[in-house]
Amino acid sequence: DQQVKQNSPSLSVQEGRISILNCDYTNSMFDYFLWYKKYPAEGPTFLISISSIKDKNEDGRFTVFLNKSAKHLSLHIVPSQPGDSAVYFCAARLYSGTYKYIFGTGTRLKVLA
Amino acid sequence: EAQVTQNPRYLITVTGKKLTVTCSQNMNHEYMSWYRQDPGLGLRQIYYSMNVEVTDKGDVPEGYKVSRKEKRNFPLILESPSPNQTSLYFCASSLKVSSTEAFFGQGTRLTVV
Repeated sequence: DQQVKQNSPSLSVQEGRISILNCDYTNSMFDYFLWYKKYPAEGPTFLISISSIKDKNEDGRFTVFLNKSAKHLSLHIVPSQPGDSAVYFCAARLYSGTYKYIFGTGTRLKVLA
Repeated sequence: EAQVTQNPRYLITVTGKKLTVTCSQNMNHEYMSWYRQDPGLGLRQIYYSMNVEVTDKGDVPEGYKVSRKEKRNFPLILESPSPNQTSLYFCASSLKVSSTEAFFGQGTRLTVV
């Protein structure tokens, strides 16, 4: 029972264009959503988050959009750079006595120079 | 430099031989956790600790033990490793359990033969 789904295992984008990574979830009780980036042989690093009461959060080239009615969030990277090539994990936070973080399976982004 | 350090980075062991993966953080974080990453399954939480001497099971705790005797250290113990514990393991820490940003170690690739 995958509560957080990243249906695209991989994505290729030309340098300078927009990268859009998608994430779907099933539990309406999630209160925060996060994106992590992971390079090979390194641990994930935090990228950006959004509260469930917002619909957009922006940090430089990275913007996360949340559509609660569709239970869908997306990460936009504009403009994409070769250094953005990594695996991106979507995660959601749930409070059920304590906080739990549920991760998606990741999307591998390749930015072509 | 603020970091989470795991050791070893790579380990090949035989079934049944007890092993410990160490994790240490230098950020005075209260919350620490262990995840395993498997193909097609994303990151799944094994155990977590909200503070010294406070630990609890995550989603996949079977076959693992942890301890939190000091704030900075959170070792993962496999008393009798089995091949299905072959995986990539990550330790993570955050200021508090409610913090949305977690800091991950570089990972430990464990192979049990």
